[in-house]
Amino acid sequence: DILMTQSPSSVSASVGDRVTITCRASHSLSGWLAWYQQKPGKAPKFLIYAVSRLQTGVPSRFSGSGSGTEFTLTINDLQPEDLATYYCQQSNSFPLTFGPGTKVDIK
Amino acid sequence: EVQLLESGGGLIQPGGSLRLSCEASGFTFSNYAMSWVRQTPGGALEWVSTISDDDDKTYYADSVKGRFTISRDNSKNTLYLHMNSLRVEDTAIFYCAKDHHSGSGNFYWDWWGQGTLVTVSS
Repeated sequence: DILMTQSPSSVSASVGDRVTITCRASHSLSGWLAWYQQKPGKAPKFLIYAVSRLQTGVPSRFSGSGSGTEFTLTINDLQPEDLATYYCQQSNSFPLTFGPGTKVDIK
Repeated sequence: EVQLLESGGGLIQPGGSLRLSCEASGFTFSNYAMSWVRQTPGGALEWVSTISDDDDKTYYADSVKGRFTISRDNSKNTLYLHMNSLRVEDTAIFYCAKDHHSGSGNFYWDWWGQGTLVTVSS
């Protein structure tokens, strides 16, 4: 199984800041990585797939990068509505697995 | 717009059975693989099972293999999860999720239902 880890587990930042979340996989993902945003009490929302491709309708302040086993989600110009937990997910191989999540708080 | 509406959750005793349903609308259901993903009370997201668009292939997490069965009825635009021998550790919100890519799928999920809560407790 591919183990996914994320750091930090939580981050507090101010409106307008840049936030960076790292996701690491125990094996190379060959680009099969997605990011989801989950707001309190809601279902996860699809943000980014194939490492860096933005899903339709997602604001351009969100971006993804990385390769192999290390990936990054960056939120530029943090907005109040970005308060959420962010999860990475690999679809390189079954079982499909998620990272434990990173909670983003607004100062 | 895509809509996924889960139902069938509830309180069940250990060892019991439940069937979850997910009614889909707003897209050509038969063209997409579908999955169940659950979220534990601690917040962890866990993939449970996936079924191919044509019902030909199914995949399961080891933790549910042999106890859960995923199925679909493309004529009714409905996805199912039959759950047997339920355990306390199966307690979670169960989400139905649509694959991002039609056909064989890429096992990312671009639409999720609102979730249905399954509580396994005596």
